[in-house]
Amino acid sequence: DQQVKQNSPSLSVQEGRISILNCDYTNSMFDYFLWYKKYPAEGPTFLISISSIKDKNEDGRFTVFLNKSAKHLSLHIVPSQPGDSAVYFCAASAGFGNEKLTFGTGTRLTIIP
Amino acid sequence: DTAVSQTPKYLVTQMGNDKSIKCEQNLGHDTMYWYKQDSKKFLKIMFSYNNKELIINETVPNRFSPKSPDKAHLNLHINSLELGDSAVYFCASSDRDLWGQFFGPGTRLTVL
Repeated sequence: DQQVKQNSPSLSVQEGRISILNCDYTNSMFDYFLWYKKYPAEGPTFLISISSIKDKNEDGRFTVFLNKSAKHLSLHIVPSQPGDSAVYFCAASAGFGNEKLTFGTGTRLTIIP
Repeated sequence: DTAVSQTPKYLVTQMGNDKSIKCEQNLGHDTMYWYKQDSKKFLKIMFSYNNKELIINETVPNRFSPKSPDKAHLNLHINSLELGDSAVYFCASSDRDLWGQFFGPGTRLTVL
């Protein structure tokens, strides 16, 4: 029973264009969402998060959008750079301070120079 | 000065053996975790410790026993290894007052 889903296992985007990674969740108790980035042979690195009281959070080239009614969030990267090529994981938890994160299966993003 | 470190990075062993994976964090965090990433790349929490106390145990077989000698260390001991234990195991840590978990580089366990 996968409560956090990333339905696109891979995505290729031209350098300089916008990358959009999607994530859907089923558990209505989730109210805090995070994106992690993972390079090969390394652990995931925290990228950006959003609380359910917001619908958008921006940090430099990275913006996360949350649509609570659709139980959907997305990560926008603009402009995309070659160093952004990695696997991106979406994660969710039921409340700030709740240590139990539920992860999606990841989307491999490849930026084409 | 790695924030979260794990040893060993690779572990190849026979079925039935007992093995341990060590994790240390130098971030001063009070909570540490073990995750398992299986062949389908699904990253799933196994255990969480806060100040040496177990707070999350996600129905992991008894063959897995975490041990936290102090809040900077969380080791994972696995008894009677099975083929299905082959995976990448990640240690992580976090601070209760800040969001985001910091992950170690992972330990790739292969059971033959």
